[in-house]
Amino acid sequence: NAGVTQTPKFQVLKTGQSMTLQCAQDMNHEYMSWYRQDPGMGLRLIHYSVGAGITDQGEVPNGYNVSRSTTEDFPLRLLSAAPSQTSVYFCASSYPLRGGRTGELFFGEGSRLTVL
Amino acid sequence: AQSVTQLGSHVSVSEGALVLLRCNYSSSVPPYLFWYVQYPNQGLQLLLKYTSAATLVKGINGFEAEFKKSETSFHLTKPSAHMRDAAEYFCAVRVPYGGSQGNLIFGKGTKLSVKP
Repeated sequence: NAGVTQTPKFQVLKTGQSMTLQCAQDMNHEYMSWYRQDPGMGLRLIHYSVGAGITDQGEVPNGYNVSRSTTEDFPLRLLSAAPSQTSVYFCASSYPLRGGRTGELFFGEGSRLTVL
Repeated sequence: AQSVTQLGSHVSVSEGALVLLRCNYSSSVPPYLFWYVQYPNQGLQLLLKYTSAATLVKGINGFEAEFKKSETSFHLTKPSAHMRDAAEYFCAVRVPYGGSQGNLIFGKGTKLSVKP
């Protein structure tokens, strides 16, 4: 049972570099999302997707892009990294809220990103 | 708009003592409510959830929470703390329907320390 898999687990970038955080889930979940976690701030939603081909912005989307070409994958792209993007990033997925489902999120292990 | 407030960013208890972590929510519609636990350097794990069935919800590791609509609260309790309970705990609210249904809004978290 792989669940939600994130890669890489650790990454160090220089300001201005770009990179992609990968997220894959094998539970056939329609809903996927990216959060960032910063000390004292809890988890803040960056982008989310309710199905393949559909994405939308969360609370803190600036500086990040996403796409959803398949149900399984939901990569997060940093176009030009900034020190303010130093954080721990979590990908999460869930079933849609219908059919009696309650929509709890299943989380990956996280990706720790440092931007110098 | 939905929001979650966790009172106390740090809570310290002695082993064997009662654990009480406070969570108040704001929602214009009956919400789904969740408690997650995060152990150091790990992802988030679901402790328990409220989905408009029983107001007293039992979760894993001996934790439980009571939904009180009149107080808009969903406090987490455990009768007797154990050293392994030391972690960060997050309360979250989810709108059960609407355009952004599926998004969890998290509180800022409460770090629980357990003293021997």
